[in-house]
Amino acid sequence: AQKITQTQPGMFVQEKEAVTLDCTYDTSDQSYGLFWYKQPSSGEMIFLIYQGSYDEQNATEGRYSLNFQKARKSANLVISASQLGDSAMYFCAMREFYNFNKFYFGSGTKLNVKP
Amino acid sequence: DVKVTQSSRYLVKRTGEKVFLECVQDMDHENMFWYRQDPGLGLRLIYFSYDVKMKEKGDIPEGYSVSREKKERFSLILESASTNQTSMYLCASSLSADNEQFFGPGTRLTVL
Repeated sequence: AQKITQTQPGMFVQEKEAVTLDCTYDTSDQSYGLFWYKQPSSGEMIFLIYQGSYDEQNATEGRYSLNFQKARKSANLVISASQLGDSAMYFCAMREFYNFNKFYFGSGTKLNVKP
Repeated sequence: DVKVTQSSRYLVKRTGEKVFLECVQDMDHENMFWYRQDPGLGLRLIYFSYDVKMKEKGDIPEGYSVSREKKERFSLILESASTNQTSMYLCASSLSADNEQFFGPGTRLTVL
C-alpha cells in the first residue's frame, strides 16, 4: 500500500488566489512527522513546513499552512495568495519515528500559477 | 549556511561499470539518505544511515550499496550499472527524527 498519496498530478491556480494541495498518508505508528517540500524547475528540494503527529495546532509558515486532519490521515498544504514563483513540484512526505526514521514521499503535484 | 554537496551534477556511464556517487554534509547530522527520483514516482528511498558505519535498506535497495565511514560522507555505489538505473539521485541529511531533511542538488545519472 502507498504510504503517501498525492492524487493531483497537476494543478492550475490564478495568481493571488489560494490553493490546496492534497496529501493522504497511511501509517499504524502513533509517532510520525509530515513534511512538505517544493521542487522548482532548477531541481533543488526546499523544505516548506512540518507537522508532528502530536501537534494539536495546524502548522503555519508564512503563506503556507498545513491542514492536518489526523482521523482522516490527511495533511493538505494550503498556499495563500499564490505567486508566480510558487510554480513548482510539491511533495508531501512522512517520517515514521519508530521505523528506523524512514521517510516516504508522494509522487508529487505540479502547480502552475497563472498571471 | 546548511550545505549538502554531491560530487557530480551530471554523470554518464556505461552498462556494467561501477559507479560511485558521493555526498557530503557539513551540518554534523546523524542521518543521511539516498533517493532516486523518477517522473510520476516521486522520491524513492534507496538506503539510509543513522550513524557512522550503520546502514538500513530503503524501499528499492536492489542493485545498490552504500558506505558511511565518516559522519559527514555517505556514498552510493552501483556495483554494475544498468540502463534502468538511469535517474536523478538525491542525497539528504537530517539532524533527528522530527527535523526536516536538507537535500543536495542531485546527480543526474545516465547509463548507456
